[in-house]
Amino acid sequence: DQQVKQNSPSLSVQEGRISILNCDYTNSMFDYFLWYKKYPAEGPTFLISISSIKDKNEDGRFTVFLNKSAKHLSLHIVPSQPGDSAVYFCAGMEYGNKLVFGAGTILRVKS
Amino acid sequence: AAGVIQSPRHLIKEKRETATLKCYPIPRHDTVYWYQQGPGQDPQFLISFYEKMQSDKGSIPDRFSAQQFSDYHSELNMSSLELGDSALYFCASSPPKGSGANVLTFGAGSRLTVL
Repeated sequence: DQQVKQNSPSLSVQEGRISILNCDYTNSMFDYFLWYKKYPAEGPTFLISISSIKDKNEDGRFTVFLNKSAKHLSLHIVPSQPGDSAVYFCAGMEYGNKLVFGAGTILRVKS
Repeated sequence: AAGVIQSPRHLIKEKRETATLKCYPIPRHDTVYWYQQGPGQDPQFLISFYEKMQSDKGSIPDRFSAQQFSDYHSELNMSSLELGDSALYFCASSPPKGSGANVLTFGAGSRLTVL
């Protein structure tokens, strides 16, 4: 039973364009959602989060949108840069700060 | 800024051997989490500790045990190793509740290879 799903294994985007990474969840008890970025041979690095009581959070080039009724969130990166190429994990946070991760989406930004 | 430190970064063991991974959380973080990421898989929660007490348990095999010490560092002990234990093991820490930051910071991971 996968509580967090990232249905796109990979995404390829041209430099300067928008990258949109999607995430669906089934657990209504998640009270926070987080996006992590991961480079090979490194640990996940926190990118941005959103509380379940909000529908949007913005931080520089990164914006996360949450649609609770659809149990869907998305991460927008504008403009995309080659250094953004990495694996992006969506995670739901349960009580006790336990994270449930999705399978990840590989983002490739082409210059 | 200090990060989460994990050691060793790489470890090679034979089947049925024992391995110990160490994690040093960010100073003043009071909660430590262990995650396992198998090849091509998402990170799976194993276990967490809050103030040196086990706070939550996930899909951790009985062959594994962990503890958090008085200096807040944590160790994950894995015995009777199996080929399927080969994975990246991540440790993460988080600050005290109410500090305003509800974020786990991850270490670089320890890669265990079981031959």
